[in-house]
Amino acid sequence: QVTLRESGPALVKPTQTLTLTCTFSGFSLTTSAMCVSWIRQPPGKALEWLARIDWDDDKYYTTSLKTRLTISMDTSKSQVGLTMTDLDPVDTATYFCATGCDHFDYWGQGTLVTVSS
Amino acid sequence: QSLLTQPPSASGTPGQSVTISCSGGSSNIGSNTVHWYQQLPGTAPKLLINRNNQRPSGVPDRFSASKAGTSASLAISGLQSEDEADYHCAAWDDSLNGPVFGGGTKLTVL
Repeated sequence: QVTLRESGPALVKPTQTLTLTCTFSGFSLTTSAMCVSWIRQPPGKALEWLARIDWDDDKYYTTSLKTRLTISMDTSKSQVGLTMTDLDPVDTATYFCATGCDHFDYWGQGTLVTVSS
Repeated sequence: QSLLTQPPSASGTPGQSVTISCSGGSSNIGSNTVHWYQQLPGTAPKLLINRNNQRPSGVPDRFSASKAGTSASLAISGLQSEDEADYHCAAWDDSLNGPVFGGGTKLTVL
C-alpha cells in the first residue's frame, strides 16, 4: 500500500525559505522508473506542478520557479524534500507530493502553507 | 492562466450524464496523453483516468474519457451525489518539459 505524507511549517514569513518533507512508504524511489513530484494548489485555484525527482536522482523544475526550488531525496529515510526560497504571499497554497513521472498515481493529503508577516 | 482550459463549472441531476471539456494546444494535448483527476471537497486529488482513457483499478466504468486533436473530454454517466467534486485535466507539455493542469471544473449534482 502506497502512502505519502507531507510535513512542514504552516506559517512562513515573506522572504523566508520554506522546507517541506514528503515521507512515503509502499515503494522504493531507487526502483527504476519511479518518480516523486511536488504539486501545489493555492486556495480555490488550479493545481501547479513544481518539481520532480527520479529514481536515478535526475531533477526537473517548473520553468517559472526554477531559480527558487530545490528537490532532493533521502532514500534511507524514504523521504523527498522541497525547499523554496524567497517566499511571497502568492506562494500561499496546499503543497502535495505525489508519485508518478508522467501522471500522478498516489497523492499525499497535502499541507497548507500560509505566507504572511 | 492555465495552459489547459476547462469550464469553471458543470452540473447535472442524479442519473444524468455530464461531459467536461479540456482544451489545450499542440505542445500538450496535441502530442501527449491526457489524465484526469477527481478532487472531492477538502481532499487531495485522485487519479481518475490516465493515458486518455484508462481507468485505474476501482474507478467505476461510469467514468470515461476521450481525446481528439488538442482537446479532451471526461464523461460521467449515471450521475451520483458522490460525484460532486472538482475535476482536473492534465497533460505533459513539450515546450515546458513538465506537466500542466487545467483550471479545474466544479461539478455540482443538483
